[in-house]
Formats: sequence, C-alpha cells, structure tokens
Amino acid sequence: EADIYQTPRYLVIGTGKKITLECSQTMGHDKMYWYQQDPGMELHLIHYSYGVNSTEKGDLSSESTVSRIRTEHFPLTLESARPSHTSQYLCASSLEQMNTEAFFGQGTRLTVV
Amino acid sequence: GENVEQHPSTLSVQEGDSAVIKCTYSDSASNYFPWYKQELGKGPQLIIDIRSNVGEKKDQRIAVTLNKTAKHFSLHITETQPEDSAVYFCAASTYGNQFYFGTGTSLTVIP
Repeated sequence: EADIYQTPRYLVIGTGKKITLECSQTMGHDKMYWYQQDPGMELHLIHYSYGVNSTEKGDLSSESTVSRIRTEHFPLTLESARPSHTSQYLCASSLEQMNTEAFFGQGTRLTVV
Repeated sequence: GENVEQHPSTLSVQEGDSAVIKCTYSDSASNYFPWYKQELGKGPQLIIDIRSNVGEKKDQRIAVTLNKTAKHFSLHITETQPEDSAVYFCAASTYGNQFYFGTGTSLTVIP
C-alpha cells in the first residue's frame, strides 16, 4: 500500500475560484510529480520536483503552480479555475537515488462549473 | 525526449484467454520499464517492472518481455479473469529522469 495521499478526492468549484490540491507522502521520496489525466486516459506530466525548493514544468502546459517547501508535501494551486481545468489530477512520488517505481495517489477529480 | 507508444488502445478478451499489450520506446538510454494497472476511481498501481539487463520477468499470471535492440516491450496476462479488467499503462525512464507513459490500454475481460 502506497503512503501517498491526495485531498480532496472530489471537488466541484465555480469559475474564477482559487483552489489548492493537496498531495502528501510519508515515504521520504525526493521526486514528486503531478499528472493530468484526460477522459481518454492518457497521463500528461504538468509539474515535477526533484526535492525541496525544486520545481519544474512538465510536458503539458498548465496554468497551475506548485511549491515544494517540505519533502513530504507538493501542493498544486490554480489561481483562477476555469471549466477547461476540469480533469482528474494524479500526484506521484519516487526515489531519487534508484530507478524505481512511482507511487500514485488516488487522484482528485476536479469539476469547474 | 523519450516517446512511448502503446497498442492497442482497447482490448476485449474472453475469460481464460491471454491478453498482450505492446509498447515501443525511442530513447536507447531508457533502462527501466514499469507497467501500471489503473482501476476505476483509483490511481495507477505497479504490477510488474523490468530493467534493461533482463529480457523477461514473470510474476504468476503476468509477464513482461523486453527487446532492447528493437526498443519494444510487452505485457502478457495469461488465464485472464474479470478482475483483470482495467486500464494498463506502460512507461519508460532512465536513471534520475522522469517517467514517460504510454497512452493506456483499456482491457475488458468478458465472463
């Protein structure tokens, strides 16, 4: 069982609202990731981090921002939500030192109305 | 960067039959190839992985094969059961780098 948690699991919010999706892991992993998963299933990397104070944009352009102030915490923020942000957001983490698996959280399903 | 292609996008099999999902990758430096299973409403979970120094790996009813020369790897599920129905993702990565995922295969096992 992976020790990586995302909250909330489901969120319905109005256009223009600011939201933060939470992701925490207790495995001491250096690397953390945010993926956006579209209805066609494909996983798109939107942000990643190699450690504290390190954040990078992924392959898919996103209006969201992330921060990594603590090893275990990697929140994603949308300053002004739009219907186009409606999607499933998945957080993951992995070890830096070894080429090992990524552990995924359960995901947050976001609906912007 | 790496490009991972996955086929087929959907697959239906009768219970008890075998299922095969194939992936190709472009970066010869990739050396780690995990396979993930995603059930409805959940995040992907690792089911099996293989490293580039190994050609085949088995775990009960699932197996993965890797052909480094051709840059392709495959997932084989034998004696399929309804609980195998899910979306499966292949991925490739190199040491210290991010994971590159395939586009997913939706597997349906018909009882």
